[in-house]
Amino acid sequence: GNSVTQMEGPVTLSEEAFLTINCTYTATGYPSLFWYVQYPGEGLQLLLKATKADDKGSNKGFEATYRKETTSFHLEKGSVQVSDSAVYFCALSDRRTGNQFYFGTGTSLTVIP
Amino acid sequence: DTEVTQTPKHLVMGMTNKKSLKCEQHMGHRAMYWYKQKAKKPPELMFVYSYEKLSINESVPSRFSPECPNSSLLNLHLHALQPEDSALYLCASSQNAGTGMGNTIYFGEGSWLTVV
Repeated sequence: GNSVTQMEGPVTLSEEAFLTINCTYTATGYPSLFWYVQYPGEGLQLLLKATKADDKGSNKGFEATYRKETTSFHLEKGSVQVSDSAVYFCALSDRRTGNQFYFGTGTSLTVIP
Repeated sequence: DTEVTQTPKHLVMGMTNKKSLKCEQHMGHRAMYWYKQKAKKPPELMFVYSYEKLSINESVPSRFSPECPNSSLLNLHLHALQPEDSALYLCASSQNAGTGMGNTIYFGEGSWLTVV
């Protein structure tokens, strides 16, 4: 079946630190992979996505590379800001069932000045 | 900015009330979704509409009743809810609901529901 595993949080970093949030997946087909961000009191926003192996998604300084050999889609940012404090969800959608999204448990990030 | 609009943003209702959550998308998408999210948890799928027809119901209790009047609108009718139904209800949409390349889902800001 399909599933997503994210690193446990919460994560606390100082401003300008390097961020990695690990995400691995299990899929029966060829999934598309996503990172969503949820700021306090808001809905989920698409942060970036990748639809095939070796694709790199990027947005707002965040990057993630679709690694089929390690079934991973780790989120990285070189220098975090206080405004990046949020919950980050890794997700996949199965190409064969476009309706079905599978979310990870979410990782809470707090960036302190 | 999200192009999925949800109203109301906050709703408090008693267990005997009837209320509705509303959602509208302006992206021409043909699939629309309702998700429920509890604090510090990922969203849980409730319903999927594809081309205005209900295609997935994730065994949701009948006190939640979805309706899709047209391809841009999605409602969730609420009746006789329980306090444990208090949560953030998220509407979402995607371009289509077919198979093939995985769709990107776009979420609204959500409706915070409190049942008292």
